[in-house]
Amino acid sequence: ETGVTQSPTHLIKTRGQQVTLRCSSQSGHNTVSWYQQALGQGPQFIFQYYREEENGRGNFPPRFSGLQFPNYSSELNVNALELDDSALYLCASSSGTGIGYTFGSGTRLTVV
Amino acid sequence: AQSVTQLDSQVPVFEEAPVELRCNYSSSVSVYLFWYVQYPNQGLQLLLKYLSGSTLVKGINGFEAEFNKSQTSFHLRKPSVHISDTAEYFCAVTRGGADGLTFGKGTHLIIQP
Repeated sequence: ETGVTQSPTHLIKTRGQQVTLRCSSQSGHNTVSWYQQALGQGPQFIFQYYREEENGRGNFPPRFSGLQFPNYSSELNVNALELDDSALYLCASSSGTGIGYTFGSGTRLTVV
Repeated sequence: AQSVTQLDSQVPVFEEAPVELRCNYSSSVSVYLFWYVQYPNQGLQLLLKYLSGSTLVKGINGFEAEFNKSQTSFHLRKPSVHISDTAEYFCAVTRGGADGLTFGKGTHLIIQP
């Protein structure tokens, strides 16, 4: 059974650019959620996708958007990058009940 | 909305000593509770979770936690720590369903030889 995998592991972007982060869910999981973890902070919930539709969202602006594909993999897109978007972005998958989350190792995004 | 308070940002403990990491939460509805561990430059690993039933929950690596509804607490304990337990520990809550996890700010457990 494979866990949650995220790509890339690191990347550097310039302010104003757009970025796409990718996540493959754990086998058998149909729900995926994304979190932003700033340095020295706890993760913050961005949004959740269930069966290809967003069904929950945290306090993040619309320039944070996502997709979930039929194989339950997912993308996080961030437009018009700001310096404060620099963080570790974590993907988590669950089996739909939302009470058992498996996290990936994250993508470290640096905006310069 | 719910919130999580981890009362200690750092806890230094000697190796083989017991440890308790404190977590209090605030919510107007029933929640599920979790403890995660994060090693440097890694993602989050689930230690244990409380969904229902017995208030004493046992997890991996010898950790356990007790859910106290009246005190809205979910403290994490280990009777004897090892150097390898050095990490960041996060307490989290959720109502389930479409509600994401709400995390505390974390407690850095430092094991001293």
